[in-house]
Amino acid sequence: EIVLTQSPGTLSLSPGERATLSCRASQSVDSSYLAWYQQKPGQAPRLLIYGASTRAPGIPDRFSGSGSGTDFTLTISRLEPEDFAVFYCQHCGSSSLTFGGGTKVEIK
Amino acid sequence: EVQLAESGGGLVQPGRSLRLSCVASGFIFDDYGMNWVRQVPGKGLEWVSGINWIGDRIGYAEHVKGRFTISRDNDKNSVYLQMNNLRPEDTALYYCAKGRGIHWGLAPMDHWGQGTLVIVSS
Repeated sequence: EIVLTQSPGTLSLSPGERATLSCRASQSVDSSYLAWYQQKPGQAPRLLIYGASTRAPGIPDRFSGSGSGTDFTLTISRLEPEDFAVFYCQHCGSSSLTFGGGTKVEIK
Repeated sequence: EVQLAESGGGLVQPGRSLRLSCVASGFIFDDYGMNWVRQVPGKGLEWVSGINWIGDRIGYAEHVKGRFTISRDNDKNSVYLQMNNLRPEDTALYYCAKGRGIHWGLAPMDHWGQGTLVIVSS
């Protein structure tokens, strides 16, 4: 089973700053099957990015995804107040789906 | 508008059973795979089970194999999770989530319900 490790655990930033979140896989994965989600307190997760770099419908272009092999990145170019949340990466395998442990982006 | 509404959660004793339901609307239900994902309050997301569009390809996380059974009824736009022999560590908020494709695997989840809480305790 592929294990996803996200770092850092918590990112303290101010609105307007750039956020860079990392997701590292325990073995090389097809980037077609790497997704990112955002979850705000009391809400269900929301799909942000799939295929490592494709934004889901309605997702602002300040969110971008990149990476390949074992290293993937979610970047928020300029943080808006509503962006502060927990972010999860996910591998969509053929026999199981795995999530990373999450990165919390909090207001500094 | 896609909507997923879970129900069936509650307080149950260890070793007992519970059946979760998820009713879908706003999309062609039998065109998509469906999943159950759980989350212990304050913790991360954990995939539990998935079922493809027609129900003949199913997957389970290792820790629920042999205890949980996923099924779907396309006539009722519903997916179910039968949970047997429940353990305290199964306590979580259980989300129903729609896949982006006909299979549950190889696709992310593009819509989620609000979840139903399962508490396993004596």
